[in-house]
Amino acid sequence: SQQGEEDPQALSIQEGENATMNCSYKTSINNLQWYRQNSGRGLVHLILIRSNEREKHSGRLRVTLDTSKKSSSLLITASRAADTASYFCATATPSSGTYKYIFGTGTRLKVLA
Amino acid sequence: NAGVTQTPKFQVLKTGQSMTLQCAQDMNHNSMYWYRQDPGMGLRLIYYSASEGTTDKGEVPNGYNVSRLNKREFSLRLESAAPSQTSVYFCASSGLYEYGYTFGSGTRLTVV
Repeated sequence: SQQGEEDPQALSIQEGENATMNCSYKTSINNLQWYRQNSGRGLVHLILIRSNEREKHSGRLRVTLDTSKKSSSLLITASRAADTASYFCATATPSSGTYKYIFGTGTRLKVLA
Repeated sequence: NAGVTQTPKFQVLKTGQSMTLQCAQDMNHNSMYWYRQDPGMGLRLIYYSASEGTTDKGEVPNGYNVSRLNKREFSLRLESAAPSQTSVYFCASSGLYEYGYTFGSGTRLTVV
């Protein structure tokens, strides 16, 4: 079963607006990461937040993590048409000497010019 | 360019045929992974390998086998393809977890 569930499943906004997407997960994690996938391509790593962190920023990205609620949010500020993509959260748990990453079902973001 | 290379990019198989998907990385990463992506399902982990010589099952291992040939290469084999295995397959590798995965560009597999 999926570890992470993103919502909304799809989001359509105007260029310049902010986009917020949420991720909920089920078990304890070591860290949570967000990835972007452009249509038909592989995923690209955006940002990582550790389980002992509550908020992290990278450029126009802001990620929060609430381990008590097992949830995270990704905020993209001042969105651009180039941000149109699917966004996935991935939770990392230690396993067999490495980390096992379980992905959510994704949020499809469309930014209208 | 450094990264993860998957071959082939596209493949059509008949039910019951076998094939091997190849993956190679040149970043000296220890860990490698195979995922499948289906519409509305996100990515599901098939198998992973923490290091050369070790492999472990993920969420959906049935119908697949893997080989970690050396540190660079991690192959995925379908012994008897089924239509339910129609999907896009992604290979990924990771070194320090800080930087997350590096993904290949995917193999689009259709089983008819």
